[in-house]
Amino acid sequence: NAGVTQTPKFQVLKTGQSMTLQCAQDMNHEYMSWYRQDPGMGLRLIHYSVGAGITDQGEVPNGYNVSRSTTEDFPLRLLSAAPSQTSVYFCASSYKPSGVNEQFFGPGTRLTVL
Amino acid sequence: RKEVEQDPGPFNVPEGATVAFNCTYSNSASQSFFWYRQDCRKEPKLLMSVYSSGNEDGRFTAQLNRASQYISLLIRDSKLSDSATYLCVVRPLGLGGYNKLIFGAGTRLAVHP
Repeated sequence: NAGVTQTPKFQVLKTGQSMTLQCAQDMNHEYMSWYRQDPGMGLRLIHYSVGAGITDQGEVPNGYNVSRSTTEDFPLRLLSAAPSQTSVYFCASSYKPSGVNEQFFGPGTRLTVL
Repeated sequence: RKEVEQDPGPFNVPEGATVAFNCTYSNSASQSFFWYRQDCRKEPKLLMSVYSSGNEDGRFTAQLNRASQYISLLIRDSKLSDSATYLCVVRPLGLGGYNKLIFGAGTRLAVHP
């Protein structure tokens, strides 16, 4: 199993550009999430999905869109990039809530917005 | 006030030392607690869950104090490979059946020879 994969690993955008961060998992997990990690702050939830066709907002959803057309894929779209979106983005997946609820993270995408 | 607070460190300790980290959380209705480990420029990985009665996994011991709303992680006989950032993670009472995890900013540990 590849686990959770993310592409690209690095990306530089100009303000106003749009792009999609890709995330895929091969563990048949129902739950998938997108987080961003900034210096001095914990990971913050952007959007999440509890299954194909079902998504919801997390703590910091503004400026981002998601969709979940399949169990495996959960892309994150930046609509019009801003310097404040410079961050490291992690995708994660997990089994249905079981009490332990280990999150499996992808390797991250380092995004810089100029 | 942050929902989950940790001392950022760094904690610089020699090999073989015992080191402890604390973490406080603000939501008294929090249901589950975890420690994740994050190596430099890598993704977080689950280190261990924290149970009400405390639990141990090899050299690692986790404790929960619900009355004071803090969690601790004790590492005995530190190894160079323990150098990493340790993230305290709390799951509030579930909303809509989904567990939204709240992450602390992490405590950095550096173990030196």
